[in-house]
Amino acid sequence: DVKVTQSSRYLVKRTGEKVFLECVQDMDHENMFWYRQDPGLGLRLIYFSYDVKMKEKGDIPEGYSVSREKKERFSLILESASTNQTSMYLCASTKLGGRDFGDGTRLSIL
Amino acid sequence: GENVEQHPSTLSVQEGDSAVIKCTYSDSASNYFPWYKQELGKGPQLIIDIRSNVGEKKDQRIAVTLNKTAKHFSLHITETQPEDSAVYFCAASMDSGGGADGLTFGKGTHLIIQP
Repeated sequence: DVKVTQSSRYLVKRTGEKVFLECVQDMDHENMFWYRQDPGLGLRLIYFSYDVKMKEKGDIPEGYSVSREKKERFSLILESASTNQTSMYLCASTKLGGRDFGDGTRLSIL
Repeated sequence: GENVEQHPSTLSVQEGDSAVIKCTYSDSASNYFPWYKQELGKGPQLIIDIRSNVGEKKDQRIAVTLNKTAKHFSLHITETQPEDSAVYFCAASMDSGGGADGLTFGKGTHLIIQP
């Protein structure tokens, strides 16, 4: 089975900090994604990557950046964390078909 | 861009009854429609999907129907069990599941199975 692993389940950071969320997949998938999930808003796409060193903006990229230096790893970066970035962050990967998701990182910005 | 509406936001059914969750989409070019189940503390898991060349697909107690003319698709769960309690998301994509394109999600339905 595909395994998508997010490095932290829970994370608490302060406003203004630079925050890194890490995601690793073990099935050689080309495509990787970062979503945020908020109550009543569903899942919204932040960034995705279809190859190493390639990235594309999703629907809500403002305040975020990403890094894909290796095929299996896709990092989400909050350049200067703000309280409105408190959310559940989900990483996903796919080759064909639907997404395989990690279990999420619940990030709180104080 | 694509817009996916999902109803209801909360659905409570008696154990053993059927549950139906409905979604509509706006872009007639969408051709891939997956459904995800998210249990508490877990990421969403793909449970069934359908492509636009098919009108219905079944997998044991779960079925999905697609009406391309009306641009809506539905998830049907029969003989519901307590472990069916979860949040369910529908989604639509224009890339036939090829992967790189964005997948537009509905806002989710919280399904509660009453014992």
